[in-house]
Amino acid sequence: QKEVEQDPGPLSVPEGAIVSLNCTYSNSAFQYFMWYRQYSRKGPELLMYTYSSGNKEDGRFTAQVDKSSKYISLFIRDSQPSDSATYLCAMGGEGSNYQLIWGAGTKLIIKP
Amino acid sequence: ETGVTQSPTHLIKTRGQQVTLRCSSQSGHNTVSWYQQALGQGPQFIFQYYREEENGRGNFPPRFSGLQFPNYSSELNVNALELDDSALYLCASSTTGSRSEQYFGPGTRLTVT
Repeated sequence: QKEVEQDPGPLSVPEGAIVSLNCTYSNSAFQYFMWYRQYSRKGPELLMYTYSSGNKEDGRFTAQVDKSSKYISLFIRDSQPSDSATYLCAMGGEGSNYQLIWGAGTKLIIKP
Repeated sequence: ETGVTQSPTHLIKTRGQQVTLRCSSQSGHNTVSWYQQALGQGPQFIFQYYREEENGRGNFPPRFSGLQFPNYSSELNVNALELDDSALYLCASSTTGSRSEQYFGPGTRLTVT
C-alpha cells in the first residue's frame, strides 16, 4: 500500500463546475499538506499549503485537511479551462528532513 | 524575485554515461531538494542539501550524488546511466524550517537510450 493514494483520473467536468480532488494517506505523522498544480512537461506549482487540520481558502481554491480520517481535499470553484492540469498532493512530517511524500496526481480536464 | 531555474531543459544520454544537472535556487532560499518524476507518477525524493551538506536522502543508489555551492545553487550527478533513469528531474528550493514550502523549477527532461 502506498503512503499516499490519489485517483489518477482523468476527471472531466464542465466549465463553471465545482471540482473536488482528494488524497488519502496512511502515515499519522504527516502534519503539513500541500497541493500542487502541474501542467504538461512543467514543474509543479504550489497552490495551497496547510499545516495540521482545518480549512484554508485562497480565491477559488479551498484546501481541507481531516487528520482523523487521514483525508485531504482541494476544491476549485468556478472552474476554468485554464485549470486543466494534473493536481498533485504532497505531505510531510516533523523530523522527516522535509522530505515530501507525493500522490501520483489527478488529471483534471475542464470542458468549455 | 527570481524563481528556481534549471539547466539544461532537455538532455539525451546513452546508457552507461554520466550526467550533471544544475539548479539555481530562488532568492532567499538556502535549501535545495531534488526529485525524480517518471511519466504519470508523482515526484520521488532523491536528496536535499542545506548549507552545502546532504540533509536527507530517499531510496536512490549512490550513483545519484549532489553538491550545493555557497550561493545555494546545486548540482545533481548521475553516474552509469540506466534506461530507467529516463524521467523529469525537478529541483525545489525552500527556506529552512520544518514546515517550509518548496518551490519548483521547470525541470530537466532526461532521456537515456
